[in-house]
Amino acid sequence: QAVVTQEPSLTVSPGGTVTLTCGSSAGAVTSGHSPFWFQQKAGQAPRTLVYDTSNKHSWTPARFSGSLLGGKAALTLSGAQSEDEADYYCLVSYNGIGVFGGGTRLTVL
Amino acid sequence: QVQVVQPGAEMRKPGSSVNVSCKASGGTFSSFAISWVRQAPGQGLEWMGRIIPILGVTNYAQKFQGRVTMTADRSTSTAYMELTTLKSDDTAVYYCARDRGGRPFGYWGQGTLVTVSS
Repeated sequence: QAVVTQEPSLTVSPGGTVTLTCGSSAGAVTSGHSPFWFQQKAGQAPRTLVYDTSNKHSWTPARFSGSLLGGKAALTLSGAQSEDEADYYCLVSYNGIGVFGGGTRLTVL
Repeated sequence: QVQVVQPGAEMRKPGSSVNVSCKASGGTFSSFAISWVRQAPGQGLEWMGRIIPILGVTNYAQKFQGRVTMTADRSTSTAYMELTTLKSDDTAVYYCARDRGGRPFGYWGQGTLVTVSS
């Protein structure tokens, strides 16, 4: 089974921009892996921000965007706000089997 | 309005089984797949599997093969995830999530804390 890797932690200044990445031990992450991004705040259930690389739900703030970058899936936050402080997880699918990354703890400071 | 409701907590002894329910109201239940994810205390998310009720098709993570069974009761719009031969490291919050727009993880339940302890 592939191992999916994320930065353990990142810090961004309020109003700043940060990119979280999601790589795979099995090679480049492509649109065919249907990468997802989730946000989880302390004590809450996860919330889906991005699906299939770059698609957003109606509740996804416009400041979040998903893409592919250098063989990895990426989640970019432009104009960080204090409420964006949370854990972020990516999910990559391999023939219908999902694998989560270890998560990135994002601090807005 | 879609709601995904799970029980708050379950307690089990090592070696026993747990059957976690997930009631998804709103829309045609059997048309949507249900995914299951767990999160051990202080740890990350772990994908367990998925069921498509209308097809009766399941996909399970290799780690849980032989120990997990996902089912769905279309008459009550409820999905179930049974995990057998429980160990202490199965202690976790178990989440279910329903599709939205044909894609997974559209609507999440609040999670069920399963505690395995003697």
